[in-house]
Amino acid sequence: DVKVTQSSRYLVKRTGEKVFLECVQDMDHENMFWYRQDPGLGLRLIYFSYDVKMKEKGDIPEGYSVSREKKERFSLILESASTNQTSMYLCASSRGQGSPYYEQYFGPGTRLTVT
Amino acid sequence: DQQVKQNSPSLSVQEGRISILNCDYTNSMFDYFLWYKKYPAEGPTFLISISSIKDKNEDGRFTVFLNKSAKHLSLHIVPSQPGDSAVYFCAATDLIAGGTSYGKLTFGQGTILTVHP
Repeated sequence: DVKVTQSSRYLVKRTGEKVFLECVQDMDHENMFWYRQDPGLGLRLIYFSYDVKMKEKGDIPEGYSVSREKKERFSLILESASTNQTSMYLCASSRGQGSPYYEQYFGPGTRLTVT
Repeated sequence: DQQVKQNSPSLSVQEGRISILNCDYTNSMFDYFLWYKKYPAEGPTFLISISSIKDKNEDGRFTVFLNKSAKHLSLHIVPSQPGDSAVYFCAATDLIAGGTSYGKLTFGQGTILTVHP
């Protein structure tokens, strides 16, 4: 079974802090993704990566950056946390382009509260 | 610009009845569609998918219908069970068109399904 793990289930941070969210997958997937989930807005893509050191902006990248130094690990960084970044953050991975399915496997999520 | 829309935030059905969840899309490049199910405190899990070359796909109690001309898809759950109570997300991508989407999915807002015993 594919396993995607996220470093924390719950985080509370103060405004202005630098925040790191870590995600690890164990299926040698090429693609990794970071989403945030907010009520009424669904899942919105922040950033994704299709290879080590490669990244692309999603729909809402402002205020975030990412790092992918190893294939299995994808980090989301909030450079200076703000209250409007309070949300559920979900990491996902999928097999590379050319696969028959673009099914994404999700981690359990990190509930981040910025106060 | 919401390219995938689930206009019903919630749906309530009785156990044993049919649940129908709807999804509309605007991007004509989308050619592969997926449904995900999410329980509280868990990540979404893949449920069922459909390619644009089909108009129906079944997997047990779950059937997805695709109407390309209307840019509409629906998920039917028959019979509904209390354990089906969850948030359901519709998602779309441009898989077959060979786009450079790298497996990127566009999700709808989600529909909360509650199945009453």
